[in-house]
Amino acid sequence: SQKIEQNSEALNIQEGKTATLTCNYTNYSPAYLQWYRQDPGRGPVFLLLIRENEKEKRKERLKVTFDTTLKQSLFHITASQPADSATYLCALPLSGGYNKLIFGAGTRLAVHP
Amino acid sequence: GAGVSQSPSNKVTEKGKDVELRCDPISGHTALYWYRQRLGQGLEFLIYFQGNSAPDKSGLPSDRFSAERTGESVSTLTIQRTQQEDSAVYLCASSLLPTQWETQYFGPGTRLLVL
Repeated sequence: SQKIEQNSEALNIQEGKTATLTCNYTNYSPAYLQWYRQDPGRGPVFLLLIRENEKEKRKERLKVTFDTTLKQSLFHITASQPADSATYLCALPLSGGYNKLIFGAGTRLAVHP
Repeated sequence: GAGVSQSPSNKVTEKGKDVELRCDPISGHTALYWYRQRLGQGLEFLIYFQGNSAPDKSGLPSDRFSAERTGESVSTLTIQRTQQEDSAVYLCASSLLPTQWETQYFGPGTRLLVL
């Protein structure tokens, strides 16, 4: 069955540094991959979608890469700020022709001043 | 504009009781999804609505779980005879269309605790 793995350990970095989060998947060839941000006590918020034919996508300080050979996506936040502290989830669509997603457990990012 | 809302925000119930969780999607969104998030785990897909029909109920854990949607708007997830393993955050999301690529907008969730 399809499986998504994200680093369960929290990532602690200093303000201003680049945070890099990893999403690996197995038994699957998704047409796209999404990244979400989730704050404590809140629902996930969509950040970026990258398609299988795109190697890289950027949005402001965010950058996502998608390597379909390695079955891996990297999520980067440059010039990180304490406000970026949250849990970041990756999600892949299951088959079915509609937007049925499976989510990783997420990686918690803590940016320290 | 208003986002997805869910009620109640928190629910504590005793084992064996029934609970109803409500989701109000963004107005005009035809697709509605229910997910469950256990502590420290990813979101699990439960059920998907297109309009008022549910083409995919494959994620419902057991026949104690049911959901309906009326008026192509509000949806209710009902859990009968709750068990302690039902304790989780139940999240609802909606999207304008049910097709792939569409952004899903999530509500804040209902935190259910079964004692």
